Amino acid sequence: QITLKESGPTLVKPTQTLTLTCTFSGFSLNTRGVGVGWIRQPPGKALEWLAVIYWTDDKRYSPFLKSRLTITKDTSNNRVVLTLTNMDPVDTATYYCAHGPLWDPFDIWGQGTMVTVSS
Amino acid sequence: QSVLTQPASASGTPGQRVTMSCSGSTSNLGSNYVYWYQQFPGTAPTLLIYSNNQRPSGVPDRFSGSKSGTSASLAISGLQSEDEADYYCAAWDDSLNGVAFGGGTKLTVL
Repeated sequence: QITLKESGPTLVKPTQTLTLTCTFSGFSLNTRGVGVGWIRQPPGKALEWLAVIYWTDDKRYSPFLKSRLTITKDTSNNRVVLTLTNMDPVDTATYYCAHGPLWDPFDIWGQGTMVTVSS
Repeated sequence: QSVLTQPASASGTPGQRVTMSCSGSTSNLGSNYVYWYQQFPGTAPTLLIYSNNQRPSGVPDRFSGSKSGTSASLAISGLQSEDEADYYCAAWDDSLNGVAFGGGTKLTVL
């Protein structure tokens, strides 16, 4: 059974860097064709894809946020980390990590973690 | 401003069949699979349809998906009150080099 869980701060100040960790089980990021991505959803708004990393360490980023995003994987500990620099109140959202196949959307999602940006 | 276009709302009465659309372009729906998600308030999205028309195990066969060219549809037959939720379409986008989502359709069961 595949599960994913996000962890990180619930409150960050403007200009700070957000670091979120996705801890997963039931699969390995060493397996061909497997990826883990991040998606966010501001309150009352639509889903927005942020980044994805694949078993080859291939990384793709939303072009709208590429300069602020970094995604990395720790295969040994079944974790994927996302950093988003220079946080702004508009970045307030629920952040989800999810499992997905190569070049496709995601199939299994974590429960999400709400991050508020406020001074 | 979402890459894929969905109507903001849809509605139907119990037992009815409802459909909702998802419109894209050659770089996403025109060349890649469409996925559909169901999301209840305060919860994570769950996969309803993958690879255009495939249902994960546990998803009732009342839910069906189709795709033609750069458009896709989700149909729900025998509408039930518990189907009231937000529905999102998604697809890989070759120009974005990532996953494109629709803006979501809020389904109301009258």
